[in-house]
Amino acid sequence: GESVGLHLPTLSVQEGDNSIINCAYSNSASDYFIWYKQESGKGPQFIIDIRSNMDKRQGQRVTVLLNKTVKHLSLQIAATQPGDSAVYFCAEIYTGGFKTIFGAGTRLFVKA
Amino acid sequence: DVKVTQSSRYLVKRTGEKVFLECVQDMDHENMFWYRQDPGLGLRLIYFSYDVKMKEKGDIPEGYSVSREKKERFSLILESASTNQTSMYLCASRDASGRARSQETQYFGPGTRLLVL
Repeated sequence: GESVGLHLPTLSVQEGDNSIINCAYSNSASDYFIWYKQESGKGPQFIIDIRSNMDKRQGQRVTVLLNKTVKHLSLQIAATQPGDSAVYFCAEIYTGGFKTIFGAGTRLFVKA
Repeated sequence: DVKVTQSSRYLVKRTGEKVFLECVQDMDHENMFWYRQDPGLGLRLIYFSYDVKMKEKGDIPEGYSVSREKKERFSLILESASTNQTSMYLCASRDASGRARSQETQYFGPGTRLLVL
């Protein structure tokens, strides 16, 4: 989920389990969404995107679900691996404008 | 693959110094961005540039300026560094030509961690 104050929410999962990371977005006009992964000491990397005319999109081991009714986005990671440990954050974009709004992120910790 | 590079991974500067952070992208992207990232606050946009010689203020431009003299290079300048500018600085670029499938995707550099003493 989104952060509160200065502390990032943390999700701790066992290696091999599935992970679900949530994001509440703010602008009902947003029509394009991206999930980024940021490993320690690195810049954010694109994982997967979804447009508002879809409610689900699958990639390799990752699935993004979009619920426009409640302005909610989730990232599901199947068979989580230690290399998945990172901060994940969502981005919402209104393609008729210019600005991208980034969420504060969730830290995923994978236990071996 | 898009490559965005930043001139320094780590910088330590003193209060009042002028600081230059350089960013270069190799994909001929029109748009470039500078963000700062602080714990729990997410990415905050400092400045962005639609194209060469163009710049627009983001959400937190105070204390910063930028320069985009060449398409591939976007520089962030701290005119007089202060301790509250200690942060991780991230540069990003985006293809605005309409060629890319995911036109809104921003590609990030590795970041510069700046400490102002």
